[in-house]
Amino acid sequence: DTEVTQTPKHLVMGMTNKKSLKCEQHMGHRAMYWYKQKAKKPPELMFVYSYEKLSINESVPSRFSPECPNSSLLNLHLHALQPEDSALYLCASSQGPGPEAFFGQGTRLTVV
Amino acid sequence: TQLLEQSPQFLSIQEGENLTVYCNSSSVFSSLQWYRQEPGEGPVLLVTVVTGGEVKKLKRLTFQFGDARKDSSLHITAAQPGDTGLYLCAGVFAGNMLTFGGGTRLMVKP
Repeated sequence: DTEVTQTPKHLVMGMTNKKSLKCEQHMGHRAMYWYKQKAKKPPELMFVYSYEKLSINESVPSRFSPECPNSSLLNLHLHALQPEDSALYLCASSQGPGPEAFFGQGTRLTVV
Repeated sequence: TQLLEQSPQFLSIQEGENLTVYCNSSSVFSSLQWYRQEPGEGPVLLVTVVTGGEVKKLKRLTFQFGDARKDSSLHITAAQPGDTGLYLCAGVFAGNMLTFGGGTRLMVKP
């Protein structure tokens, strides 16, 4: 099973809303990632969790708050987002930090 | 700074034609992955290459890793409309993080 599951698939939220994106994997991977992808651009790394600890935060604004409750789950809490935050948010996992990341289908986020 | 340069950025060809996509860097990769992504979906891992000079084949797709592990290519033989998508190379450098190239958007017309 090489599946990474993301929910929801689509999300529309207002700038004053609080929402969460969820990601789950059951491959025993110990590294999990959040990426942001704008249209016609490659994915950009936001956060890396390694062994359930935040190891990399790529200067992401505090309105994005990651959480790793356990080795299989990764959340991204959203608060007071801006319209320019609209993008495809991708979760990925790998056995260790770095190679062969497996991606979820993404959450298409629209901020209105 | 773009560590990985992909070319071409966009390619539109007829069904049955061959094509090659390139991924280049001035740095040495410890490994390199190729992904294919369709609109609104996540990238799907196609292959990982690790050894300099390595060649891997996946049906009509041939992946090559340069001898110096600084470049890679993806060759598609007899392209089909189902090959349409965004092709991304991603390299792992000394920092152990996956870095993506800019992507090649391929359109195969029937």
